[in-house]
Amino acid sequence: GQSLEQPSEVTAVEGAIVQINCTYQTSGFYGLSWYQQHDGGAPTFLSYNGLDGLEETGRFSSFLSRSDSYGYLLLQELQMKDSASYFCAVRDVQNQGGKLIFGQGTELSVKP
Amino acid sequence: DGGITQSPKYLFRKEGQNVTLSCEQNLNHDAMYWYRQDPGQGLRLIYYSQIVNDFQKGDIAEGYSVSREKKESFPLTVTSAQKNPTAFYLCASSEDRGQSYEQYFGPGTRLTVT
Repeated sequence: GQSLEQPSEVTAVEGAIVQINCTYQTSGFYGLSWYQQHDGGAPTFLSYNGLDGLEETGRFSSFLSRSDSYGYLLLQELQMKDSASYFCAVRDVQNQGGKLIFGQGTELSVKP
Repeated sequence: DGGITQSPKYLFRKEGQNVTLSCEQNLNHDAMYWYRQDPGQGLRLIYYSQIVNDFQKGDIAEGYSVSREKKESFPLTVTSAQKNPTAFYLCASSEDRGQSYEQYFGPGTRLTVT
């Protein structure tokens, strides 16, 4: 089967940098995605890593190491509005229908 | 504006009643999905559809049913057979059913069954 592990919660202060880790176990691999969800809202896509290395989008970066089955989301210059849950996800290799398997989510609290 | 709409935002039902949740998209996406989210939990897949008139069970399909008669619509029925239906339900779509890693989500419907 496929499974993903990420910390359940992380706390940081405004202006700081925080890293949210995700380790996965899959029988095949088609890339790691990250989603953000504010309380009571819809998840929104943040980033995707199909190959090893760092992808940067503004204050957010995502990293992947396929040999370690590991990735992380890096949030810089934290703002209060970054308080949300962050989910990593992998594509389901059993079916080519774009089906995603999500981690349990990491709740990020940004303090003043 | 393109996007996914779900209605209603909040829904209350008595135990034993079937209820249908609406999901409509105008993104011209082939694939659509239904997820259930419980407090402090990740997203669990209920059903998904890669193309009109076709759908597959996800990980937790028992007690749910869907239809996909039109490309833009993918309603979910929560039946009385679903033992614990109170949850936040999210609908999503993706552009390319074979290759897409990005899903677009609707605002969700919070269902409470008492």
